[in-house]
Amino acid sequence: NAGVMQNPRHLVRRRGQEARLRCSPMKGHSHVYWYRQLPEEGLKFMVYLQKENIIDESGMPKERFSAEFPKEGPSILRIQQVVRGDSAAYFCASSLLIGSTDTQYFGPGTRLTVL
Amino acid sequence: SQQGEEDPQALSIQEGENATMNCSYKTSINNLQWYRQNSGRGLVHLILIRSNEREKHSGRLRVTLDTSKKSSSLLITASRAADTASYFCATDRDDKIIFGKGTRLHILP
Repeated sequence: NAGVMQNPRHLVRRRGQEARLRCSPMKGHSHVYWYRQLPEEGLKFMVYLQKENIIDESGMPKERFSAEFPKEGPSILRIQQVVRGDSAAYFCASSLLIGSTDTQYFGPGTRLTVL
Repeated sequence: SQQGEEDPQALSIQEGENATMNCSYKTSINNLQWYRQNSGRGLVHLILIRSNEREKHSGRLRVTLDTSKKSSSLLITASRAADTASYFCATDRDDKIIFGKGTRLHILP
């Protein structure tokens, strides 16, 4: 059973471009979480999704950021018109049950650098 | 917003010694989890302890929970070089978990 997959592992974008981060949860997991981590910081919750539904996006900036988890395919975190402050590591995690009561399995992360 | 807060922020100990990290939180919880993150990697789940539990063991790890003090501790016994990592506590809030800033543990040879 493959773990949580994220790609790309590293992404470089210029200011104003779009960044697309992909996350494939573990097989059988329908709960996906996205987090952002700045250097020397903990993980900040961004969004919680189930298949075709955004359950909680309270941690996601209202503008430029969006997330989806379609019926088929990976979950996508999309950042439009990136700015330097978006540079960070973005992790996704999946769980079998709701992640607040269950183990979350993390992917290796995507490191976004905005030039 | 941050819920758990780890203490100390950084800890260096000799290999073979025990390492203790603490986590304090503000609001009531249903459970608390500890995760480890090696440099540049994703997080790995260590232990989940529920609010009605006081202590839990897993190999060299021992976690305690004191809900009256809103605190938890993670003890790693007989530390090894491979234990060098950042350790985070996470508390549940609604449908998600909130992480603290972590304790950076460094095991000296």
